[in-house]
Amino acid sequence: KQEVTQIPAALSVPEGENLVLNCSFTDSAIYNLQWFRQDPGKGLTSLLLIQSSQREQTSGRLNASLDKSSGRSTLYIAASQPGDSATYLCAVRRDSSASKIIFGSGTRLSIRP
Amino acid sequence: NAGVTQTPKFRVLKTGQSMTLLCAQDMNHEYMYWYRQDPGMGLRLIHYSVGEGTTAKGEVPDGYNVSRLKKQNFLLGLESAAPSQTSVYFCASCDDRYNSPLHFGNGTRLTVT
Repeated sequence: KQEVTQIPAALSVPEGENLVLNCSFTDSAIYNLQWFRQDPGKGLTSLLLIQSSQREQTSGRLNASLDKSSGRSTLYIAASQPGDSATYLCAVRRDSSASKIIFGSGTRLSIRP
Repeated sequence: NAGVTQTPKFRVLKTGQSMTLLCAQDMNHEYMYWYRQDPGMGLRLIHYSVGEGTTAKGEVPDGYNVSRLKKQNFLLGLESAAPSQTSVYFCASCDDRYNSPLHFGNGTRLTVT
């Protein structure tokens, strides 16, 4: 059974720092992995999607990497800003089936001005 | 571009009452999903649909029913609400292509007293 874990559950860093958020999964046979951002009281916003054949994806200050063999993905945020404060979730799609998307519980990120 | 729209945003029900949550998407997506999000439990799949006229059970379907009469709409019904159904409900949709990201609505906060 696929399990997705995000540690730590919460993280607080000063503004301007580069930081890494972690996502680990137990079954390396994945279809793709997606990173989301969730602001309080809002839905999830898709940040990056990495296909199983890819090693990384970049969007602006965000870079997501994928290492299937070790069951890990990281989300790197460069030059953090207070506006980056949110909960970040990763989700693993196991196969082409529509139902097989497993979410981590998220990391709550706080950027201190 | 509205994306995924959920109505209502908030609702308070008494035990035993019924209600329907509406999800509408304007991206012509085939797949639609209903999740619930609870503290410490993460996102859990209730029901999903792979196309107009189809529905299937997810991880926690008991106490809920769904319908997808039109491709753009996915309805979630609670026939007899229970306090255990107090949660934030999210609708999501995606295309059936391999690398299609998941798009979420802003959620419905439901309280059952």
